[in-house]
Amino acid sequence: DIQMTQSPSSLSASVGDRVTITCRASQSIGTYLNWYQQKPGKAPKLLIYAAFSLQSGVPSRFSAGGSGTDFTLTISSLQPEDFATYYCQQSYSTPRTFGQGTTLEIK
Amino acid sequence: EVQLVESGGGLVQPGGSLRLSCAASGFTFSSSWMHWVRQAPGKGMVWVSRIYGDGTTTNYGDSVKGRFTISRDNAKNTLYLQMNTLRAEDTAVYYCARENSTSRFYDYWGQGTLVTVSS
Repeated sequence: DIQMTQSPSSLSASVGDRVTITCRASQSIGTYLNWYQQKPGKAPKLLIYAAFSLQSGVPSRFSAGGSGTDFTLTISSLQPEDFATYYCQQSYSTPRTFGQGTTLEIK
Repeated sequence: EVQLVESGGGLVQPGGSLRLSCAASGFTFSSSWMHWVRQAPGKGMVWVSRIYGDGTTTNYGDSVKGRFTISRDNAKNTLYLQMNTLRAEDTAVYYCARENSTSRFYDYWGQGTLVTVSS
């Protein structure tokens, strides 16, 4: 199974800050990497697919990149609604696996 | 509008069984890979199982293999997860999700149904 490791596990930031979350795969997954946002009590929401493609309707302050084993998700200017938990997920192989999550908290 | 609506969760004793359902609408269900993903309270997301559009191919996570069975009824646009020999560690919110077949991402999720395994 491919292990996905996110860092940091939690992050405190302020509205307007730029933040970056990293995700590392235990083996090369090409660009089969997706990012989701989850708020308490809700299902995850797709933000980014295929490593860097922005899902329709997602604000352009979200961007992502990477390939192979190392990936990033960047939020250019944090908004109040961005405080949530973020997960990366590989879809290169089965079983699909997720990172452990990064919780973004208000400083 | 795409909708995935799960049902069937609840409280069950260890060793018991439960069947979850996921009613789909708004997309071509019979052409879609469908997955179950679970999330234990306060924990991260864990993939459980998937099934191909025509039901001929299924896969399972190691922790549920031999105990859970995924199936679908394309005439009813409904996905199922039969869960047997339940354990305390199966306690979680269970989500069904549609996987986009081109780029392999979960574009639609249900609202989740809570399964609690406890005596």
